[in-house]
Amino acid sequence: DGGITQSPKYLFRKEGQNVTLSCEQNLNHDAMYWYRQDPGQGLRLIYYSQIVNDFQKGDIAEGYSVSREKKESFPLTVTSAQKNPTAFYLCASSMPENTEAFFGQGTRLTVV
Amino acid sequence: KQEVTQIPAALSVPEGENLVLNCSFTDSAIYNLQWFRQDPGKGLTSLLLIQSSQREQTSGRLNASLDKSSGRSTLYIAASQPGDSATYLCAVPSFNTGTASKLTFGTGTRLQVTL
Repeated sequence: DGGITQSPKYLFRKEGQNVTLSCEQNLNHDAMYWYRQDPGQGLRLIYYSQIVNDFQKGDIAEGYSVSREKKESFPLTVTSAQKNPTAFYLCASSMPENTEAFFGQGTRLTVV
Repeated sequence: KQEVTQIPAALSVPEGENLVLNCSFTDSAIYNLQWFRQDPGKGLTSLLLIQSSQREQTSGRLNASLDKSSGRSTLYIAASQPGDSATYLCAVPSFNTGTASKLTFGTGTRLQVTL
């Protein structure tokens, strides 16, 4: 089945710790995205990548980092610099612009 | 900057009722508009993508319309069922060069269909 796989489903982070969220797609899409969802707010774009070895900051990139070493994979690292990381994180992918975006099932990150 | 608004924020209807969800956007220079469904604690499921050149798009009991000039889209759900209960989100891509389409989302309409 083609789709986007995010792991883990739930993740707990201690203060001062970096954690990495995984996103893998087998749709052969060029573009991949990371969004953050908070209660009562719309999804906000963290980072996006149009092609392997290239990525761009979105609206709320501070405290996050990404890499795009393979077309299929776009991991997101939440660093200790992110002061309020508790949220639901969604990964998406699409073909070139103006086409449908597809989303994974999300990772819920909680700071403990 | 594009802003997307969805009204109402929440809606409760009895089973079998036809209903309309609204989405408005401030910048009419859009390529397309996408409607999504989100179940609690889950990711987004794409329902319909309507291109800027289209006025309507249909999938089963769902019909989406787009009026670019007025900055509005509606999602019509016919003969609603309890299984339709979810949050419905609309999103438009930022006017952007290159291959990536960054989406701006509304905050969603939470729909509950009661027996």
